Amino acid sequence: DAGVIQSPRHEVTEMGQEVTLRCKPISGHDYLFWYRQTMMRGLELLIYFNNNVPIDDSGMPEDRFSAKMPNASFSTLKIQPSEPRDSAVYFCASSFLFGQPQHFGDGTRLSIL
Amino acid sequence: AQTVTQSQPEMSVQEAETVTLSCTYDTSESDYYLFWYKQPPSRQMILVIRQEAYKQQNATENRFSVNFQKAAKSFSLKISDSQLGDAAMYFCAYLPGGNNDMRFGAGTRLTVKP
Repeated sequence: DAGVIQSPRHEVTEMGQEVTLRCKPISGHDYLFWYRQTMMRGLELLIYFNNNVPIDDSGMPEDRFSAKMPNASFSTLKIQPSEPRDSAVYFCASSFLFGQPQHFGDGTRLSIL
Repeated sequence: AQTVTQSQPEMSVQEAETVTLSCTYDTSESDYYLFWYKQPPSRQMILVIRQEAYKQQNATENRFSVNFQKAAKSFSLKISDSQLGDAAMYFCAYLPGGNNDMRFGAGTRLTVKP
């Protein structure tokens, strides 16, 4: 079975541009998570969905960040407008049930110039 | 707020030897889950082992085992017969029983010497 699939793997763009990160969770997993990893702050949960519904977005840093999950097999994390401090690795993860391990994608390394 | 502390930023071990990575956490809850994840240079986050707080028995996965001390809020990872492929960042993670806000420690970078 395929794991969590994220795209793109790398993204380099200029400040002010819109950035869209994509994620396909493991089929059958009801929970989807977006994380950000930086050297300064480590791994931080941004938002998570249960059955396509956003449950907790308290980790979303600013209104420039938004996430959607239009169906069970697809989610996006959008940054508009992007800023250099948004540079990080963004991970998507999914899990089958609450308390079960989260399976991570390979991450998107985002660089905002 | 729950916090996870990994007090060893870096550790090294000789190939075939045993190493223990430390993790402590702070919580007032009785129901929670603990995990160790491995992040090699490829950047993937790979689950190593999982422990449920209500289980007294320490989890084991092949060469990986934990020492879960609930009263002390300690969750250390022991890697036996270390292999070169074990070299990675290791993250300890805490998941409360009431929500999905998983908290990660800062990580321990493990080097395996041939």
